[in-house]
Amino acid sequence: EDQVTQSPEALRLQEGESSSLNCSYTVSGLRGLFWYRQDPGKGPEFLFTLYSAGEEKEKERLKATLTKKESFLHITAPKPEDSATYLCAVQVVKETSGSRLTFGEGTQLTVNP
Amino acid sequence: GAGVSQSPSNKVTEKGKDVELRCDPISGHTALYWYRQSLGQGLEFLIYFQGNSAPDKSGLPSDRFSAERTGGSVSTLTIQRTQQEDSAVYLCASSSGPRQFFGPGTRLTVL
Repeated sequence: EDQVTQSPEALRLQEGESSSLNCSYTVSGLRGLFWYRQDPGKGPEFLFTLYSAGEEKEKERLKATLTKKESFLHITAPKPEDSATYLCAVQVVKETSGSRLTFGEGTQLTVNP
Repeated sequence: GAGVSQSPSNKVTEKGKDVELRCDPISGHTALYWYRQSLGQGLEFLIYFQGNSAPDKSGLPSDRFSAERTGGSVSTLTIQRTQQEDSAVYLCASSSGPRQFFGPGTRLTVL
């Protein structure tokens, strides 16, 4: 069974205090690993897709990396507007379910000014 | 351009009633997904539509749940005889490739 585990469940940072969120996964036939950001009362907003171990992608203060067992979302010098829940999801190769995503439970990030 | 839209944004119903949730995907997207997000839990896959193919219903939690997609566009998720454990946010997503675009969700509360 495909499993995705995110840690920590919640993280509080001071503005400018860099940190990392973890997403570990156990799947067969990984097609891609996705990071989404979700603000309260809204649907998830796409951040990154990673396809192979060693791959890295960056966007503003965020950088996502991927190994064969886990992914990290690094947040450099965060600002209060980075406060949100960050979701990790894996997409696996299945004949019948297309590109369904299996999500972790998310990390709720709070950045204090 | 317009994103994925869902209606209603909030729905409060009484236990035992039927509800219908609507999703309007991005125009031209052939794939459509329904997910459920319960308090404190991750998103849970419910059902997947791809073009004219038979839907993948493997994530539906019980036979009280059903969904259809008309004309390859709008989709309706129906929950019959709602139970309190059905209370959650129901999210719809559409895609034309690997990346899925999510709507804002419908918050369902069953009293």
